[in-house]
Amino acid sequence: DAKTTQPTSMDCAEGRAANLPCNHSTISGNEYVYWYRQIHSQGPQYIIHGLKNNETNEMASLIITEDRKSSTLILPHATLRDTAVYYCIVGAGGTSYGKLTFGQGTILTVHP
Amino acid sequence: DAGVTQSPTHLIKTRGQQVTLRCSPKSGHDTVSWYQQALGQGPQFIFQYYEEEERQRGNFPDRFSGHQFPNYSSELNVNALLLGDSALYLCASSHGLAGQETQYFGPGTRLLVL
Repeated sequence: DAKTTQPTSMDCAEGRAANLPCNHSTISGNEYVYWYRQIHSQGPQYIIHGLKNNETNEMASLIITEDRKSSTLILPHATLRDTAVYYCIVGAGGTSYGKLTFGQGTILTVHP
Repeated sequence: DAGVTQSPTHLIKTRGQQVTLRCSPKSGHDTVSWYQQALGQGPQFIFQYYEEEERQRGNFPDRFSGHQFPNYSSELNVNALLLGDSALYLCASSHGLAGQETQYFGPGTRLLVL
């Protein structure tokens, strides 16, 4: 599975956009980029995933660079409830059979 | 539509004991994966079950075993518990052979080994 690099922590003001970067320079052609978040003591929550194209859903947008070596998760209007650990994961394709390899993630703190 | 459910929510055991954790997948899902999350760390993949067989396994000793039932629910068994087995145990369910399907996590079982 490709390895990801994320900043350890980030801050964001409530109501502003939160942009969380992720580097995955060793990603292979059939590997997806997944984003999950984990609010304290709860199970990880799926946010969004993509392969090549940018994706948007009701929670967030995912921007993947053309070379697929990095991506950015965008929370358009962050709220206090978005304070969580955000995990960027690549893989889950082919013989991985959906195995998710979590790193340390980014601790996002949204301030009033 | 119920999501992934796990039981019990909390559990306290002593070293050397055995424990069984249970997971019911989200409706329509046929694949169950188990993860261990130590305090301050990201979840670590233990194994995955599909069609009642272990399809893939992470770097965990044989003390960790599992089972999947015909209704797709699953159990995680840990024998000869060690203090280091204290963790949040997460179950995730998905659907499909290809492995591209999104995994949805349950709330977890918090195990404390004394």
